[in-house]
Amino acid sequence: ELKVEQNPLFLSMQEGKNYTIYCNYSTTSDRLYWYRQDPGKSLESLFVLLSNGAVKQEGRLMASLDTKARLSTLHITAAVHDLSATYFCAVVSRTGNQFYFGTGTSLTVIP
Amino acid sequence: DSGVTQTPKHLITATGQRVTLRCSPRSGDLSVYWYQQSLDQGLQFLIQYYNGEERAKGNILERFSAQQFPDLHSELNLSSLELGDSALYFCASSVVASGRNEQFFGPGTRLTVL
Repeated sequence: ELKVEQNPLFLSMQEGKNYTIYCNYSTTSDRLYWYRQDPGKSLESLFVLLSNGAVKQEGRLMASLDTKARLSTLHITAAVHDLSATYFCAVVSRTGNQFYFGTGTSLTVIP
Repeated sequence: DSGVTQTPKHLITATGQRVTLRCSPRSGDLSVYWYQQSLDQGLQFLIQYYNGEERAKGNILERFSAQQFPDLHSELNLSSLELGDSALYFCASSVVASGRNEQFFGPGTRLTVL
């Protein structure tokens, strides 16, 4: 079974600081997704990374994918309070039908 | 608003009972996925349907079953409920069967088993 690990599990950071969330997965996949979940809410799609070396940016968030290292990163630049949420990465199985989610990273941005 | 709807929003029931959760995908999406989110297990993929047919099965218990109807809405049936089945149940939809397209998640159904 494909395993997806995220670290850190919990992240508390000050406004204005930079940080990176890591997502490692155990078997070959060339598709990776990042989602955001606010407490008690549903998951919101942030990024879809479809190839090795893919980099996508939206506002203060930037995601990248290295399929050879089986690693994706979500970089936060100059954090603001509104970014406080839980972030999940998800990897697709080789058949393309099963999604495996990471454990999530709970981010708290402190003023 | 993702365009995916789920009913009911909340459900409280007793152990041993049976419930049905309903999901309507976004207009034009043929694929529906069901997930269970709990504190101890995280977000677990349960099952996927594409245009009425089962496409993939994840960690779905035998007490659980699902189906997708001709109008593309889907139902997840949970029977012989146990306390441990208390969780948030999400459905998600996408246009195609494979993982090449992102999924759009519904608001979820919070199930509490007492």
